[in-house]
Amino acid sequence: AQSVAQPEDQVNVAEGNPLTVKCTYSVSGNPYLFWYVQYPNRGLQFLLKYITGDNLVKGSYGFEAEFNKSQTSFHLKKPSALVSDSALYFCAVREDSSAGNNRKLIWGLGTSLAVNP
Amino acid sequence: ETGVTQTPRHLVMGMTNKKSLKCEQHLGHNAMYWYKQSAKKPLELMFVYSLEERVENNSVPSRFSPECPNSSHLFLHLHTLQPEDSALYLCASSQSVPGQGNIQYFGAGTRLSVL
Repeated sequence: AQSVAQPEDQVNVAEGNPLTVKCTYSVSGNPYLFWYVQYPNRGLQFLLKYITGDNLVKGSYGFEAEFNKSQTSFHLKKPSALVSDSALYFCAVREDSSAGNNRKLIWGLGTSLAVNP
Repeated sequence: ETGVTQTPRHLVMGMTNKKSLKCEQHLGHNAMYWYKQSAKKPLELMFVYSLEERVENNSVPSRFSPECPNSSHLFLHLHTLQPEDSALYLCASSQSVPGQGNIQYFGAGTRLSVL
């Protein structure tokens, strides 16, 4: 069965320090992996995705994520955190062999990132 | 803004009321989704419409009734809800592009409270 795990409910980091938000996944085929961010009182916004190709994916707002097939991980990273990065971050996965054009995403529970000034 | 607009933003209703949530997307997408977001739970996919046809219904109680009159509009009709239905209801849209991952664009949500 497909699944996504975000092992940390909350991550705290000082402004200017690097941040990592962890995500591991389980699918039987090749994964499509996504990160979304949710600011307070807002819907989810797409940050970046991995479909194929380079394992390091760059996305919006200076975020990047590294696909690691052997560790089945897709951790979100940013070299220097901003207070404005404080939000809820969701990892999601879809199996590329799933039928249908609008395939179901499997979502993690979310990780709350707090960047302290 | 994401191009997906949801109204109302907040809704309080009694268990015997009937109300509707509205979603409109201005992105030209061909698929629309309803999700339920509750604290400490994964995002729950409720319904998917592709080309105005319902393609997924994840065992949602019949007190939730979706409607997709055209590719730009999606409604969620609510009746005789229960307090446990209180949650943030999110609408999303996407454009099916083979091999590209179908990025979903979300509205800001409707915060529903059932008394």
